[in-house]
Amino acid sequence: SQQGEEDPQALSIQEGENATMNCSYKTSINNLQWYRQNSGRGLVHLILIRSNEREKHSGRLRVTLDTSKKSSSLLITASRAADTASYFCATDVMNRDDKIIFGKGTRLHILP
Amino acid sequence: DAGVIQSPRHEVTEMGQEVTLRCKPISGHDYLFWYRQTMMRGLELLIYFNNNVPIDDSGMPEDRFSAKMPNASFSTLKIQPSEPRDSAVYFCASLGWSGSGANVLTFGAGSRLTVL
Repeated sequence: SQQGEEDPQALSIQEGENATMNCSYKTSINNLQWYRQNSGRGLVHLILIRSNEREKHSGRLRVTLDTSKKSSSLLITASRAADTASYFCATDVMNRDDKIIFGKGTRLHILP
Repeated sequence: DAGVIQSPRHEVTEMGQEVTLRCKPISGHDYLFWYRQTMMRGLELLIYFNNNVPIDDSGMPEDRFSAKMPNASFSTLKIQPSEPRDSAVYFCASLGWSGSGANVLTFGAGSRLTVL
């Protein structure tokens, strides 16, 4: 079963613009992670935010977490062609750090 | 470390045949996960192990699927008999402590299975 649901399913923006993807989840969590998947490849970890954190930055990435709404957002600023990929949120389930499940992802396409 | 290594990268087989997918996790990672990815269902957790012991196999779709981890450096996912609806990309991932102070997954490149 899915824990996270990303929104939108697909997003196309011009290079240089900011991209925002959202994730909603169902159960209480210890942390939420975002992963990226380039076409034909495995997923790569981008950033993790703990349940007691509200915002986190890493380079051009900004993640927010609202545990009261069970939602998170991933912002990529100043997008580049290389950011074209699918982005997934992942959470543990019912505070079990070891069981990690994913949403269906957002397909991001950066237009030149 | 070479990362998580999966084989084969691609497999094409006929319905009814046995399929065995293999995974070598990152040395020192205590957890190993098997996921299946399709367009329709996204990334599904099939089963995961801790210290070679299966912890949760509730995602394994049917008895035709089985997974083993005989030692810390090797796991297999077997489908017998295979069916066309098993066609998907199967990912293995191992869980390890990261610099961010939490456990994160490292994925293999995946095994793309096509059952005709």
